[in-house]
Amino acid sequence: SQKIEQNSEALNIQEGKTATLTCNYTNYSPAYLQWYRQDPGRGPVFLLLIRENEKEKRKERLKVTFDTTLKQSLFHITASQPADSATYLCALPSYIPTFGRGTSLIVHP
Amino acid sequence: GAVVSQHPSWVICKSGTSVKIECRSLDFQATTMFWYRQFPKQSLMLMATSNEGSKATYEQGVEKDKFLINHASLTLSTLTVTSAHPEDSSFYICSARDPAGETQYFGPGTRLLVL
Repeated sequence: SQKIEQNSEALNIQEGKTATLTCNYTNYSPAYLQWYRQDPGRGPVFLLLIRENEKEKRKERLKVTFDTTLKQSLFHITASQPADSATYLCALPSYIPTFGRGTSLIVHP
Repeated sequence: GAVVSQHPSWVICKSGTSVKIECRSLDFQATTMFWYRQFPKQSLMLMATSNEGSKATYEQGVEKDKFLINHASLTLSTLTVTSAHPEDSSFYICSARDPAGETQYFGPGTRLLVL
């Protein structure tokens, strides 16, 4: 069955630095991949969708890459701010979408 | 666009009572909605897939008689926790798949506390 792996350890970075989160997947060749943000006590919020024919996608300070050979997506936040602190989930499409466990990002002022 | 609401946002009830949670897609029609529960610091756990006009499909281990799901319209799905017990206390989140079938949009969640 398809499987998603995200680093379960929290990522701590200093304000202003670039945060990079990793999503690896196996047993699947998705046509696209999605990233969500979840704050404590809230439902996930959709951020970006990247398709298999797109190497990179940007939205303001966010950048997502998609390497179908490595079966990996990288999620970057440039010029990170304490308000970016949250858990970030990647998701693979299917009739029943599969979500990673998420990686907690903590941006220190 | 693509807003999903949930009501109530939190509820406290006595053991043995039933609680209904509503999930609405406000600006799009959703033939498919999903219900999740999430424990503190844990990942999303899919409970069931709800298709408009048909019976919900429950994940293994989820009691369908305990968690009643109704998806009577293209913008509304409800989850009823019947005869709630303290172990049912959790954070329940719904999502709706967009008409393009690519993206799920989540509600803000409902926190249930059963005393």
